[in-house]
Amino acid sequence: EAGVTQFPSHSVIEKGQTVTLRCDPISGHDNLYWYRRVMGKEIKFLLHFVKESKQDESGMPNNRFLAERTGGTYSTLKVQPAELEDSGVYFCASSHSGPLTFGAGSRLTVL
Amino acid sequence: AQTVTQSQPEMSVQEAETVTLSCTYDTSENNYYLFWYKQPPSRQMILVIRQEAYKQQNATENRFSVNFQKAAKSFSLKISDSQLGDTAMYFCAFSLYSGAGSYQLTFGKGTKLSVIP
Repeated sequence: EAGVTQFPSHSVIEKGQTVTLRCDPISGHDNLYWYRRVMGKEIKFLLHFVKESKQDESGMPNNRFLAERTGGTYSTLKVQPAELEDSGVYFCASSHSGPLTFGAGSRLTVL
Repeated sequence: AQTVTQSQPEMSVQEAETVTLSCTYDTSENNYYLFWYKQPPSRQMILVIRQEAYKQQNATENRFSVNFQKAAKSFSLKISDSQLGDTAMYFCAFSLYSGAGSYQLTFGKGTKLSVIP
């Protein structure tokens, strides 16, 4: 079984630019989550999809962040425009009925 | 709101020895799940062990076991016979369960464990 795939693994952009992160969950997993770890801090919940619908987006920091899940398959997380404090590792996870399976994360560096 | 505290930012252990990682949490809920996740360097985070709060018996997975003290809100991880491959960042996490695979995890800051040859 293929795992949760995220890309890019590392992205370096300048403040004000746009970045789109992609997550391919495990096939058949209706639940898809985005989390973020800012350097030295806890991993924080961003949002939760059930299929193509946003179940909970209470963790999204502000309206510069836009998450979508096309057809209930892969998901994208776009940051526009990026700010310095957006730097960190963005994790995607998916589940069907069991615990979450995580991807390797996408490291975002905003200069 | 739930909080998870890992008080040991870094730890080290000699190969083949035993090490215990600490985790405490705070919640007013009675039914919940606790997890330990492991993230090796430059690799994905994987589930090590899970404990349901309604179960009194401590969970065990091979060399990994937990000491779950519900009244004290403590959930420590014991790694026996430590191996070099255990070197990783370890995260303690809490979740209520909403059904159908729906877990919203609250994480601690992590403990960086180094296994020394």
